[in-house]
Amino acid sequence: KQEVTQIPAALSVPEGENLVLNCSFTDSAIYNLQWFRQDPGKGLTSLLLIQSSQREQTSGRLNASLDKSSGRSTLYIAASQPGDSATYLCAAPSRGNKLTFGGGTRVLVKP
Amino acid sequence: KAGVTQTPRYLIKTRGQQVTLSCSPISGHRSVSWYQQTPGQGLQFLFEYFSETQRNKGNFPGRFSGRQFSNSRSEMNVSTLELGDSALYLCASSLAGTGDYGYTFGSGTRLTVV
Repeated sequence: KQEVTQIPAALSVPEGENLVLNCSFTDSAIYNLQWFRQDPGKGLTSLLLIQSSQREQTSGRLNASLDKSSGRSTLYIAASQPGDSATYLCAAPSRGNKLTFGGGTRVLVKP
Repeated sequence: KAGVTQTPRYLIKTRGQQVTLSCSPISGHRSVSWYQQTPGQGLQFLFEYFSETQRNKGNFPGRFSGRQFSNSRSEMNVSTLELGDSALYLCASSLAGTGDYGYTFGSGTRLTVV
């Protein structure tokens, strides 16, 4: 059974600092991992999808890495801005055509 | 292209009532899955439909049910509402439901049971 953990649960940084968000999963036989952003009371916005054949994926200031052997993925956000304040969730596919989510990391970027 | 559309955005219902939520996936996507999000339990999988067939169901009571139509639109129904059913209900659209190409989520329906 896939279990996904995100540490820390909350993070507060000054504007301009780089953000590092961690995600760990127990079943390394995943074929991809997806990172999402969620603003309060809103749905999930997909940020990056990393296939198991890739080591990392980049989009603008966002970079996500995937290390299946260690069961870890890391999301890096460069030069954080107040608009980056949100909850970030990672999710791995599980048997039964579903996603297993981590608990999320709530990020606050202070101006 | 249009994203995933969930209606309504907000609902307030009384205990004991029933409710139906709707989800229209991205055009061409045949899989729709539903999730419940609460502060205490996080995101939990409810069920997944592909080509009008329920392929998988999460650990929820039988009061939670769903269906999918031939145009891939899906509805979720909750009968005999309880206070604990108050949550954000999210649906996700994917090409085949296997997650190979990732999932796209809708904005959710906020259900409040009073």
